[in-house]
Amino acid sequence: DIVLTQSPVLAVSLGQRATISCRASQSVSISSINLMHWYQQKPGQQPKLLIYRASNLASGIPARFSGSGSGTDFTLTIDPVQADDIAAYYCQQSRESPWTFGGGTKLELK
Amino acid sequence: EVQLVESGGGLVQPGRSLKLSCAASGFTFSNYYMAWVRQAPTKGLEWVASITNSGGSTYYRDSVKGRFTISRDNAKSTLYLQMDSLRSEDTATYYCTRVVYYSGDGYYFDYWGQGVMVTVSS
Repeated sequence: DIVLTQSPVLAVSLGQRATISCRASQSVSISSINLMHWYQQKPGQQPKLLIYRASNLASGIPARFSGSGSGTDFTLTIDPVQADDIAAYYCQQSRESPWTFGGGTKLELK
Repeated sequence: EVQLVESGGGLVQPGRSLKLSCAASGFTFSNYYMAWVRQAPTKGLEWVASITNSGGSTYYRDSVKGRFTISRDNAKSTLYLQMDSLRSEDTATYYCTRVVYYSGDGYYFDYWGQGVMVTVSS
């Protein structure tokens, strides 16, 4: 299985930039297609799709969210961070089954 | 508006069975693959099972293969998960999800239900 590794916690100040990383145990890219996706989960709620194929913003997601990366290293950036962004963020790969998720990064206020 | 509403969760003893349902609305159900994703208490997300739009093919993670069965009724726009021989490690919130799948172009979950809790305990 492809293992996705995320830092458990990231502390950030409101109005600053947050950079959340996800590292895969093997490449999740095929040619120029990066098969990494990002989700946000607020406490007590279901996950919500934020970014698909590494850099494409899902419908209704604010432009302060962006994604980048290829191969094994991917990044979700929130700039600027707002209070409503305090949540857990998960990456997910679709390079091969079983589809796996990272352990999640909890975004906290400094 | 896309809506996915799960039901059927609860407390069940180890070794027993439970069947989850997910009522879908707001989109043409028969056009989409669907999946179940679970989350153990205070843990991360774990894909459980998927089914093609016609129901002709199903896919499972190894730990539930032979115990869980995913199915769908396109006439009723409903997804199911039959869970047999339940174990304590199956305790989790189970989410019904809609799948976006294009061959070679990604497989991800664009809409999620609110989730239903399954607790396996004696």
